[in-house]
Amino acid sequence: DAMVIQNPRYQVTQFGKPVTLSCSQTLNHNVMYWYQQKSSQAPKLLFHYYDKDFNNEADTPDNFQSRRPNTSFCFLDIRSPGLGDAAMYLCATSGPGHRHGYTFGSGTRLTVV
Amino acid sequence: ILNVEQSPQSLHVQEGDSTNFTCSFPSSNFYALHWYRWETAKSPEALFVMTLNGDEKKKGRISATLNTKEGYSYLYIKGSQPEDSATYLCASLDSNYQLIWGAGTKLIIKP
Repeated sequence: DAMVIQNPRYQVTQFGKPVTLSCSQTLNHNVMYWYQQKSSQAPKLLFHYYDKDFNNEADTPDNFQSRRPNTSFCFLDIRSPGLGDAAMYLCATSGPGHRHGYTFGSGTRLTVV
Repeated sequence: ILNVEQSPQSLHVQEGDSTNFTCSFPSSNFYALHWYRWETAKSPEALFVMTLNGDEKKKGRISATLNTKEGYSYLYIKGSQPEDSATYLCASLDSNYQLIWGAGTKLIIKP
């Protein structure tokens, strides 16, 4: 089945130690999103790619970076994780026209110790 | 309204009962309204994408209505079952294709 896959499902990292989360898709969607979601809060968009065009949200900290080497893969790099970065990170894709819902991965739960 | 607001934040419903909850969104620059179901340990799943004022969509026991003039949508679940337990998220897509998310309604079905 076409889908969005996130790895790993759970990630524990040390305070200040760089960590990379990955997302892949088999849908050939041109838009990919990274969201951060903390308990009982709305998902917060960090950035998105429209094809190779990178769009950073104004309030996304510099600590968060992203790479999209090709249509299928997108990475979220957290350069120096702090305790406040512990959250669920969701990757999503959408096709053209915005008439269909986003397709989400199952998320990566990041714990910072 | 500048944000998307969902109410209630959480809801306990007896199995077999019907329920509904609300999503309020900015009515200006409206393009589409999304509803998602997010079960624990799974991916958020798109339920509905609605665009037209007065639209009503149905998927099994779940249905949704849309009022774009006043900026609200209702999600209804008829005859709740344990598998309906999830967080239901709505998100409003504006004409700039910016998706604004609500914080969700957590639904717990009691057997």
